[in-house]
Amino acid sequence: SQQGEEDPQALSIQEGENATMNCSYKTSINNLQWYRQNSGRGLVHLILIRSNEREKHSGRLRVTLDTSKKSSSLLITASRAADTASYFCATEGDFGNEKLTFGTGTRLTIIP
Amino acid sequence: DAGVIQSPRHEVTEMGQEVTLRCKPISGHDYLFWYRQTMMRGLELLIYFNNNVPIDDSGMPEDRFSAKMPNASFSTLKIQPSEPRDSAVYFCASSSSSGGNEQFFGPGTRLTVL
Repeated sequence: SQQGEEDPQALSIQEGENATMNCSYKTSINNLQWYRQNSGRGLVHLILIRSNEREKHSGRLRVTLDTSKKSSSLLITASRAADTASYFCATEGDFGNEKLTFGTGTRLTIIP
Repeated sequence: DAGVIQSPRHEVTEMGQEVTLRCKPISGHDYLFWYRQTMMRGLELLIYFNNNVPIDDSGMPEDRFSAKMPNASFSTLKIQPSEPRDSAVYFCASSSSSGGNEQFFGPGTRLTVL
């Protein structure tokens, strides 16, 4: 089964609103990453948060990590139509061997 | 940098035929990953290499699947014989151990086995 499970599976919001996606995982991690996938394209790395970090920002993205609950959230502020995509969390185990385990993804649709 | 390059972008073949997918990682990257993505199973790691050596092939579904990395700039994923259930999008990704752990994905090969 997938290490990461995203919630919700699908999300539709109006342009300009904030979008929040959650990810839960099962085992100890070295870091957790978020990726975006536009339809018919490869995945693109968005942001990485290490196990000793609790929050990280990058532009309109805010990621939080709670290792005690084995969960993470991705917040996209002031959403734009171009943010329409699938978003995946991925975890690297604490062996640090570069191997990532991807979650099931959240399909985000921004309504203009 | 051209990014990760995969070929072909689309492949349609008949059941029983051999299929070879190709990948050129980003120059200087020492890790290469092969993934398969389907609606039913999501994104699955098939195999990954470090410095051209296979590290973990536990995700390879059957003996019909094989992967090689003869040098740092080229890898292949071969399916022989192919079956309809192999239809999926296959992604190659690379990363650098001296970088930030993020993986860079290619555009994928959409495989359809009839």
